[in-house]
Amino acid sequence: NAGVTQTPKFQVLKTGQSMTLQCAQDMNHEYMSWYRQDPGMGLRLIHYSVGAGITDQGEVPNGYNVSRSTTEDFPLRLLSAAPSQTSVYFCATSEGGGYTFGSGTRLTVV
Amino acid sequence: GDSVTQMEGPVTLSEEAFLTINCTYTATGYPSLFWYVQYPGEGLQLLLKATKADDKGSNKGFEATYRKETTSFHLEKGSVQVSDSAVYFCALKGDQGFQKLVFGTGTRLLVSP
Repeated sequence: NAGVTQTPKFQVLKTGQSMTLQCAQDMNHEYMSWYRQDPGMGLRLIHYSVGAGITDQGEVPNGYNVSRSTTEDFPLRLLSAAPSQTSVYFCATSEGGGYTFGSGTRLTVV
Repeated sequence: GDSVTQMEGPVTLSEEAFLTINCTYTATGYPSLFWYVQYPGEGLQLLLKATKADDKGSNKGFEATYRKETTSFHLEKGSVQVSDSAVYFCALKGDQGFQKLVFGTGTRLLVSP
């Protein structure tokens, strides 16, 4: 039972590069979301999806894109990485009030 | 909008000491309240939750009571262990629309032998 799988676990990017953080779930949950965790700021919502084909912005969406073509996958794209995007990124699913988090991707932009 | 305020850390305790981590919230309606724990290098795990006023959530010796009159959800444990060292997040989920989680800033707990 994998739950929520995030890849990669660690990534270093140069400013201006693009990349995609992957998130996959095997629980058939409709809701999926991306958070970033920064010291002293808790977790902040980037984007979320209430089902395949439906996405919306969260609290800090700038510089990130998402799409949801299947129930299972919810990739997060960084279009042109900036040092301010250095953070730990968590994907989460929810169903019936309970949330399940992935183990995170630690991203450093230099 | 909805918000969560929790005490700053780190909280440093000796093993078997009593723990309290304060959490207060601002929200309209009747939110659900949560405590999550994050061990070093790991993701967040649900520790306990309460969905209505006066509910008490409990798990692994931790407890928290949903107090609507004081808008609080303080986390307590009677006797902490070294293995409880982690970061603890208080969070709420509103009762309208997409039910996103709103997190506090987290409190680091360090327990020494």
